[in-house]
This record gives sequence, C-alpha cells and structure tokens, in this order.
Amino acid sequence: GEDVEQSLFLSVREGDSSVINCTYTDSSSTYLYWYKQEPGAGLQLLTYIFSNMDMKQDQRLTVLLNKKDKHLSLRIADTQTGDSAIYFCAETFPYGGATNKLIFGTGTLLAVQP
Amino acid sequence: DVKVTQSSRYLVKRTGEKVFLECVQDMDHENMFWYRQDPGLGLRLIYFSYDVKMKEKGDIPEGYSVSREKKERFSLILESASTNQTSMYLCASGSGPPEDEQYFGPGTRLTVT
Repeated sequence: GEDVEQSLFLSVREGDSSVINCTYTDSSSTYLYWYKQEPGAGLQLLTYIFSNMDMKQDQRLTVLLNKKDKHLSLRIADTQTGDSAIYFCAETFPYGGATNKLIFGTGTLLAVQP
Repeated sequence: DVKVTQSSRYLVKRTGEKVFLECVQDMDHENMFWYRQDPGLGLRLIYFSYDVKMKEKGDIPEGYSVSREKKERFSLILESASTNQTSMYLCASGSGPPEDEQYFGPGTRLTVT
C-alpha cells in the first residue's frame, strides 16, 4: 500500500539542529523527496535522494536514508526562524505506463523559537 | 527557474456553481498535476496529465474533471461545487522519470459557501 507517515509538530530553538523524520512503505521507490511549504505558499522542492544512497548533504541540509527500516530523515543545522514551515516527505510510486506519482506525508510543522 | 502560476490565490463560490482553476507552467514539462491539501491529510492527488489531451485519475477524482488542451496549461473543473470541496488546491508541473521533480504553484484557496 501507499503510506508515508510523519510526526505532526516539532519545536526547536534558533541555532539548534532540527531532525524531521518520515517512514514510507514502498520499498521500490527510486527517489525520496523533502518539500518545504511556507505559510500561504505552494510547496518548494528542497532536496531529494536516490534510493541507492545513504546520505546526501546540501549546505545546512542532511538527508539520511535507511532503506532497511524505510526511514528517511531531514536534518537542518543551525536552524533559523526562516526555517519555520511545514516539511513534507514524499516517495515515488509507479502509476502504470511510463510515469510515477508522488505520495506525500501529512507534513511536519517546524516551529523555530527565537 | 521553473515557474508555475495559478489563476487565483483566493476564490469564493456558491454551492452548485461551475468552477475553473487554471494552471500554467513555463518549463515545457510533459507532466502536470492537481492536488488538494487539507489539514491533517497532507496532499491528495486529484488528477494528472502526462501529455496534451491525456489525463489520468488520481486518488480522489470524484466531483472533478480536468482539461489539457495545450502543453503549458492544465485546468481543474468543479462541475457543481459543493461545500466539501472547500480546500487549498495546488497545481504542479513535473520533470517526469527518473527524478520526478515536481514544482508547485502558489495554490488557490477555494471556499464554497
């Protein structure tokens, strides 16, 4: 089945690291994604990781993938108030033919306290 | 940069009205998507299109239809709006396999009274 789960809320202090977790069900997903949604806006693609990788780093963002446990995490170093947003993880899911669809988690609201 | 635009940010319609939501992308992507976003439910796929005049039902197509007459434009149609269609509607344009990167518009918050 298709299911992506995330915790609903995370609160951190400015300057601390944030870790947002996600579990997914489809072991055949080739890519997994993190999107950010600021208030009143659409989703912005932050980063993605290919399923044969364990880790990907991009400036303050580190993505860790544990395929055995189907667990994906996003670590934000030196969290800033501008990082306050909803973060969605997503996995690809084949939808017949030559295309895939994305299955999104319910989103984690990250609140950064000054 | 990919740009995806949606025709309205906010829309208020009455029950039974026909509603058109328009989406335009400028990246020559084959794939376009319509989602609705509701608190606690995340994003749910309504319809998508992988080519002009082609469409596929997503997970919640009931009460909706779509139109893709040109590659850059994908329209979502509510034939007879109902209050349970009050939601945030997000359009996305996608690069297709293998990376399947999707780029989102700013969203349309639709209220049906």
